[in-house]
Amino acid sequence: NAGVMQNPRHLVRRRGQEARLRCSPMKGHSHVYWYRQLPEEGLKFMVYLQKENIIDESGMPKERFSAEFPKEGPSILRIQQVVRGDSAAYFCASSLPADTQYFGPGTRLTVL
Amino acid sequence: AQSVAQPEDQVNVAEGNPLTVKCTYSVSGNPYLFWYVQYPNRGLQFLLKYITGDNLVKGSYGFEAEFNKSQTSFHLKKPSALVSDSALYFCASSTSARQLTFGSGTQLTVLP
Repeated sequence: NAGVMQNPRHLVRRRGQEARLRCSPMKGHSHVYWYRQLPEEGLKFMVYLQKENIIDESGMPKERFSAEFPKEGPSILRIQQVVRGDSAAYFCASSLPADTQYFGPGTRLTVL
Repeated sequence: AQSVAQPEDQVNVAEGNPLTVKCTYSVSGNPYLFWYVQYPNRGLQFLLKYITGDNLVKGSYGFEAEFNKSQTSFHLKKPSALVSDSALYFCASSTSARQLTFGSGTQLTVLP
């Protein structure tokens, strides 16, 4: 049973470009969470999604960031017009309803 | 609002000695508490959780944690440390098994 998969593992973007981060949950999991780990900081919650629904986006920056989890395919975290402050490790987790979250290996975004 | 505190940024212990990584929480209602471990450039790996029941929780790789409601603590312990236990450890809380609130992390170094 494959774990949570994220790609790409490393992503380099120039300021103003768009970044798309993908997350495939564990088989059978319908709940996906995105977290951000800034350098020298802990993980901060961004958004919680179920298939085709955003349940809680209280941790998402108000502008430039969006997330989706379509009926088919991976969950996508999209960052438009990236800035240097967006450089971080972005982790996806998945779970069964009200159960333990299992994390992917992360995507390390570097903005030049 | 929830918060989790890990008062020690760094813990050093000799191989074979017992180890403790401290965590305290502030949560309204009944807390769900978790420990995760992060190895360099990897995602978070689930170790154990407390939801309800016995205050002593046993997890992966010989780790255990004790839930203490009066002290609002959930310290991670292992009777005999291994060099391979050296990693970054995160305590986390949740009130409804939804978004996790993480502590700042404790870097554990086990010295040979």
